[in-house]
Amino acid sequence: AQKITQTQPGMFVQEKEAVTLDCTYDTSDQSYGLFWYKQPSSGEMIFLIYQGSYDEQNATEGRYSLNFQKARKSANLVISASQLGDSAMYFCAMREGGRNTGFQKLVFGTGTRLLVSP
Amino acid sequence: GAVVSQHPSRVICKSGTSVKIECRSLDFQATTMFWYRQFPKQSLMLMATSNEGSKATYEQGVEKDKFLINHASLTLSTLTVTSAHPEDSSFYICSARRGLAGGTQFFGPGTRLTVL
Repeated sequence: AQKITQTQPGMFVQEKEAVTLDCTYDTSDQSYGLFWYKQPSSGEMIFLIYQGSYDEQNATEGRYSLNFQKARKSANLVISASQLGDSAMYFCAMREGGRNTGFQKLVFGTGTRLLVSP
Repeated sequence: GAVVSQHPSRVICKSGTSVKIECRSLDFQATTMFWYRQFPKQSLMLMATSNEGSKATYEQGVEKDKFLINHASLTLSTLTVTSAHPEDSSFYICSARRGLAGGTQFFGPGTRLTVL
């Protein structure tokens, strides 16, 4: 079974609009971490935002916010006021195990390609 | 964010040769680095976890003798693709974990390997 599911292969949004990229996850661990990365056409993976499973508040970083719904096991990324430079692949990833465990592997979803139009 | 570099960014080699890719954390020490492989239009697949001063931990299905990993210092890990073949052509990305267990992974810009 997929541990990280991104059901939107592609998304379109107009400049200055907000967009939500979906991510659901599957784990039996109580302690885990969720990440979003952006991969532009250049290939580099850019860290955007992190949410810990015990964090009570949704993470926010500038125009990025993570809509964390633990009971639904979803961690959607919300980009507000989209910019042309936001066009890229976006990957959701999960780290299982707590911060003090040695099990630190990231498992990635299949990604969502976002295209921002003028 | 933290800076991780990779060198080279692109490499083209002949079948049967070996290629070394370097991954450096430029502004922090990384006891753990990770090597990923990404095929076109696909997600990242973890190949191995590289720990400074010890042997790398390889994921199932990854040949340790073919993909040699050396993490000689707290800022440098290398991946050597030995006796490369066309099917090894891929985008290889490293990441370095900042801080202790649980720290965020920061990624290098990737290396595109083409084996002729």
